Amino acid sequence: DAKTTQPNSMESNEEEPVHLPCNHSTISGTDYIHWYRQLPSQGPEYVIHGLTSNVNNRMASLAIAEDRKSSTLILHRATLRDAAVYYCILKANNAGNMLTFGGGTRLMVKP
Amino acid sequence: DAGVIQSPRHEVTEMGQEVTLRCKPISGHNSLFWYRQTMMRGLELLIYFNNNVPIDDSGMPEDRFSAKMPNASFSTLKIQPSEPRDSAVYFCASSWGWGSYEQYFGPGTRLTVT
Repeated sequence: DAKTTQPNSMESNEEEPVHLPCNHSTISGTDYIHWYRQLPSQGPEYVIHGLTSNVNNRMASLAIAEDRKSSTLILHRATLRDAAVYYCILKANNAGNMLTFGGGTRLMVKP
Repeated sequence: DAGVIQSPRHEVTEMGQEVTLRCKPISGHNSLFWYRQTMMRGLELLIYFNNNVPIDDSGMPEDRFSAKMPNASFSTLKIQPSEPRDSAVYFCASSWGWGSYEQYFGPGTRLTVT
């Protein structure tokens, strides 16, 4: 699987937008970009995924660079409940449903 | 839907004992995954089933670990004999379809081997 690089940690203020970056310079044409997050003492949960175009859902937005070598997960208004580890994962469409988790970014939200 | 169900939620056992972790996937899902999470190694995929058949077990650390999926609604992960380095949180996840579909994780089983 192609590798992703994320900052170890980030801080945000409550009710402000948060931009979580992910670099994936070796991404291949069939790799989807997935984001999961893991709240304290819980299992990971799916956030969003995309291939080429920007994506929006009720939880977040995913902005994908035109060359697909990087992406950004956007939380429009951070809440204290958004404090979690956020994982950016590349998954080839022909790889079944297997996910390879890296270290992720620990997001801390200050009141 | 109740989501992915795992039992027990916590398990404390002594070195050398057999440990069995259980998972009930979401009804209708045909893929099931076992992960292990530790501070040192992060979240690692141990084994992956599709339609009850093991597809990839390359993450299973050694022969002491075994996993089964006798039917679409139940899977077990067994460690025999257990060792202190097996202490971790074990997650089960399930998903539907083949390709880029989301996985649903259970709450995990925290295993402590003394």
